[in-house]
Amino acid sequence: RKEVEQDPGPFNVPEGATVAFNCTYSNSASQSFFWYRQDCRKEPKLLMSVYSSGNEDGRFTAQLNRASQYISLLIRDSKLSDSATYLCVVNERGSTLGRLYFGRGTQLTVWP
Amino acid sequence: GAVVSQHPSWVICKSGTSVKIECRSLDFQATTMFWYRQFPKQSLMLMATSNEGSKATYEQGVEKDKFLINHASLTLSTLTVTSAHPEDSSFYICSARDEAFGYTQYFGPGTRLTVL
Repeated sequence: RKEVEQDPGPFNVPEGATVAFNCTYSNSASQSFFWYRQDCRKEPKLLMSVYSSGNEDGRFTAQLNRASQYISLLIRDSKLSDSATYLCVVNERGSTLGRLYFGRGTQLTVWP
Repeated sequence: GAVVSQHPSWVICKSGTSVKIECRSLDFQATTMFWYRQFPKQSLMLMATSNEGSKATYEQGVEKDKFLINHASLTLSTLTVTSAHPEDSSFYICSARDEAFGYTQYFGPGTRLTVL
């Protein structure tokens, strides 16, 4: 069983649409959660951390449900520039090495 | 955010040769750096954790004698792929943890290795 599971998509949406990505993780001891964005043939870049109370950054909203071990990302008013692969990432704070576990990523294409 | 560089950004080599990839944290010190590998349409897979001044910790299934890691300073880690074969062709990405900002890891731009 994989540590982090994501729907690989692809999601194809028109500009202005709202799109939601889901992610589940297997280790209940996980403490830190993130969404990264990866463009084609580029390195992942941190999009936002995910906090227990939920958090918002402009058009992006992240939610965490520890009981269900479930993380989500909502993108409102999609832009063409949002086209990328979105990686759900989990960190086991218990590990002093700060190891990250990555999902396979969900591919998003926003079309005009 | 913090900046991590990698060199080279891409490399093509013949089967049997060795390739060295450098990972540098440019504006912070990193006691710990990580090396990942990513095959097309796959997630990043951690290969090893590089610790400054000590031996690297390798993930299960990763050959430590084939993928040599050296973390000689707080800003530089190197990965050497020895006797490379076509199946080693992949996207190699390093990351460095900025300990001033908890568990945030910053990634290098990656090195695309093609072994002929």
